[in-house]
Amino acid sequence: KQEVTQIPAALSVPEGENLVLNCSFTDSAIYNLQWFRQDPGKGLTSLLLIQSSQREQTSGRLNASLDKSSGRSTLYIAASQPGDSATYLCAVRRETGANNLFFGTGTRLTVIP
Amino acid sequence: NAGVMQNPRHLVRRRGQEARLRCSPMKGHSHVYWYRQLPEEGLKFMVYLQKENIIDESGMPKERFSAEFPKEGPSILRIQQVVRGDSAAYFCASSPSRDYEQYFGPGTRLTVT
Repeated sequence: KQEVTQIPAALSVPEGENLVLNCSFTDSAIYNLQWFRQDPGKGLTSLLLIQSSQREQTSGRLNASLDKSSGRSTLYIAASQPGDSATYLCAVRRETGANNLFFGTGTRLTVIP
Repeated sequence: NAGVMQNPRHLVRRRGQEARLRCSPMKGHSHVYWYRQLPEEGLKFMVYLQKENIIDESGMPKERFSAEFPKEGPSILRIQQVVRGDSAAYFCASSPSRDYEQYFGPGTRLTVT
């Protein structure tokens, strides 16, 4: 059974800091991994999707890495801004069988102005 | 191209009533997924449907819950005789094919009083 864990559960940083969010998964046989952002009371916004054959993906100030063999991914946010405050979710899709996503419980990020 | 649409956005039901949640996938998407997010928990997969077919319902409670995706019209998640424990945010996602990225709607927040 695939289990996804995100550490830390909550993080508070001053504006301008670089930060790293962590995601680990128990079954390394994944098809892809996706990072989402969720604002309070809102839906999910896809940030980055990494295929299992890729090592990293970048979009603006965001960089996500994937180490499939060790079951880990990191989301790096450069020069954090108050507008980055949200919950960040990591989700994996298995390589075979059902293609639903398995989600972590998220990291709640607060960027202090 | 409009995104995934869900309605209603908020739904209040008394215990024992029925709840109907609707999901209109993105244009051209024939695959629909339903996820549930209980308070302070991660998103959990419920059911995966393709037009007129249920592909995987392994995450859906066996009783009181049902889902459909007819040839015409939105996908419907139906909860009969709701209980307080059904209070959650229900998210729908769609994709154009099985292996493609899933796009999420804004969710329906169900409150059972």
